[in-house]
Amino acid sequence: GNSVTQMEGPVTLSEEAFLTINCTYTATGYPSLFWYVQYPGEGLQLLLKATKADDKGSNKGFEATYRKETTSFHLEKGSVQVSDSAVYFCALTAYAGNMLTFGGGTRLMVKP
Amino acid sequence: DVKVTQSSRYLVKRTGEKVFLECVQDMDHENMFWYRQDPGLGLRLIYFSYDVKMKEKGDIPEGYSVSREKKERFSLILESASTNQTSMYLCASRTTLTYEQYFGPGTRLTVT
Repeated sequence: GNSVTQMEGPVTLSEEAFLTINCTYTATGYPSLFWYVQYPGEGLQLLLKATKADDKGSNKGFEATYRKETTSFHLEKGSVQVSDSAVYFCALTAYAGNMLTFGGGTRLMVKP
Repeated sequence: DVKVTQSSRYLVKRTGEKVFLECVQDMDHENMFWYRQDPGLGLRLIYFSYDVKMKEKGDIPEGYSVSREKKERFSLILESASTNQTSMYLCASRTTLTYEQYFGPGTRLTVT
C-alpha cells in the first residue's frame, strides 16, 4: 500500500532561518504529491503540489521538488516568518479522484 | 469563497452516548470525507461519500457510521462513544476527479 513518512517535530526556528521538512513516500506507479498546511485553529489548506517526476511545486515562498529517484518531496523555504508557524502535512494520491494518504504531520514553530 | 463548516469546534461527551458530528459544504461538491487527526498519526480516513446516499468505508470505520441525505451535508455518528474516540475530527469535500480537498476547521471531541 501507499505510505508517507515525515520528519518528527516540532521544528523550532528563528525568523528568517532556512526551513527544510523532509518527506519520503512509498507508492506503486506514479503518484501525485502534496503539501498541506494547518494553521492554529483551522482546517488543512493545500499549500503546493507536483504531479510528475522533477516537477517543482511552489507557493507563498515554499517549494518542493518531486524526486522519483529518492522517493522524496522535501518542503523548503528560504526565510521563514512567525506567521509560518503551523503543522505541515505531506500527502500523496495515485491519481486525481483517488484517496489521499497523509504523513504524520510536522509542527513548525518560528520565534521572532 | 469556498466554505466547509462543522457544527461544533469543541464537544465533550460521556462514554456510551450517541454523538453526531455535522459537516456542511456550500460548493456543490460530490465527494465528502471524514477524517480523524491524532498526534503523530496524521489524518486517517474514517468514511467517505461519492454522492448523496452513497458511502464507503475508509481505513478506520469501526465504531462509526455516516449519513448523507443531502448533497451539502455529511454526518458522522458515534453510536456509543468510547474514550479511544477522543480526537480531532475533520471534514473535507471536493469535486469528483480532482486533487484538492477543502477542509472544515475541525471538531475536537473529548469522551470522558
